[in-house]
Amino acid sequence: IAGITQAPTSQILAAGRRMTLRCTQDMRHNAMYWYRQDLGLGLRLIHYSNTAGTTGKGEVPDGYSVSRANTDDFPLTLASAVPSQTSVYFCASTPLDSGEETRELFFGEGSRLTVL
Amino acid sequence: GQNIDQPTEMTATEGAIVQINCTYQTSGFNGLFWYQQHAGEAPTFLSYNVLDGLEEKGRFSSFLSRSKGYSYLLLKELQMKDSASYLCAVMDSNYQLIWGAGTKLIIKP
Repeated sequence: IAGITQAPTSQILAAGRRMTLRCTQDMRHNAMYWYRQDLGLGLRLIHYSNTAGTTGKGEVPDGYSVSRANTDDFPLTLASAVPSQTSVYFCASTPLDSGEETRELFFGEGSRLTVL
Repeated sequence: GQNIDQPTEMTATEGAIVQINCTYQTSGFNGLFWYQQHAGEAPTFLSYNVLDGLEEKGRFSSFLSRSKGYSYLLLKELQMKDSASYLCAVMDSNYQLIWGAGTKLIIKP
């Protein structure tokens, strides 16, 4: 049982470089999310997708883009990385609109990104 | 604006009881969540409250008062493995989660 898989788990990146964080889930959840977590702050939503083919902007979308070509994959791309994007990134999913009352989020293990 | 407040850090003794409070101001309310996050790991779901009252699940209980914009997580019979951060999150009227910064709980023997 894999759940949600993120890659890479850790990466050091030079400023200005392009980077894609991968996220794959095998639970057939229709909603997926990308969060960043920084010390002293709550999880902040970057982008989300309620179903394959649709995406939306969260609280802190600038500098990031996403795509949702199919149900399982939700990659996050940093077009030109900057030091302020140094953070831990979590991908999450939930079975939205499945009748699940709790809307519990299932998280990947996180990707620690350092931009120098 | 939307805001979730919880203490930054708490310390408790193994075997004791601890209560972690969370107050919120959000645009609409569609439920309150508690997650546990061990250092270097992903958050994991603990509880969900959408109606007022107490929900008990083993050693953990969660309480909600919607009129007061208040919740707490109660941990009983504390174990060393309970040392973690506890995250409070509220689902707003758009079904988006607003997260608190988390409470780091330190358990001492």
